[in-house]
Amino acid sequence: AQTVTQSQPEMSVQEAETVTLSCTYDTSENNYYLFWYKQPPSRQMILVIRQEAYKQQNATENRFSVNFQKAAKSFSLKISDSQLGDTAMYFCAFNDAGNMLTFGGGTRLMVKP
Amino acid sequence: NAGVTQTPKFRILKIGQSMTLQCTQDMNHNYMYWYRQDPGMGLKLIYYSVGAGITDKGEVPNGYNVSRSTTEDFPLRLELAAPSQTSVYFCASSRDRSTDTQYFGPGTRLTVL
Repeated sequence: AQTVTQSQPEMSVQEAETVTLSCTYDTSENNYYLFWYKQPPSRQMILVIRQEAYKQQNATENRFSVNFQKAAKSFSLKISDSQLGDTAMYFCAFNDAGNMLTFGGGTRLMVKP
Repeated sequence: NAGVTQTPKFRILKIGQSMTLQCTQDMNHNYMYWYRQDPGMGLKLIYYSVGAGITDKGEVPNGYNVSRSTTEDFPLRLELAAPSQTSVYFCASSRDRSTDTQYFGPGTRLTVL
């Protein structure tokens, strides 16, 4: 079974600064997909960014980018120019091209003014 | 376009009672999912469906049942509520396989006393 580990339960960052959230996963598959989801206090799960393992180029979405290290099985999320609205739980998730999305335990990010 | 909607938002059940959590999506997605999120944890897959009339178990199916009679609706049934089922329940959908982006509903907070 695949596992996803987020080793930072909580993090904080000053507004306008950059923060990196860590995620590692364990799999024997070669083709898979990785995701970062954001869950603000409203509880709504929102997709932040998606990475396909066969693509070597790191995905970016505006202020959000990933550092995908396939050999190390690492998938970190970098948030640039942090904003107060980025305060949320962030979940890393993995799918091995099957039907099950496996989530990590989450990192609570607080952006301070 | 409402996306994924869930009812109710909150519910308190007594041990042994039954209830159905409703989920509807208006995006004509083939895949639908039910997850539970325990406090401070990531989401775990309960059941999923790849199309009308087809359902399958996820990681934590015990104590739950599902049906999928239409593309739009995917209700989750709790037959004999137990305190261990106290959780937040999320419904999600994706266009095709679960490697596609999953769109989540707002969640149902269920407490079993």
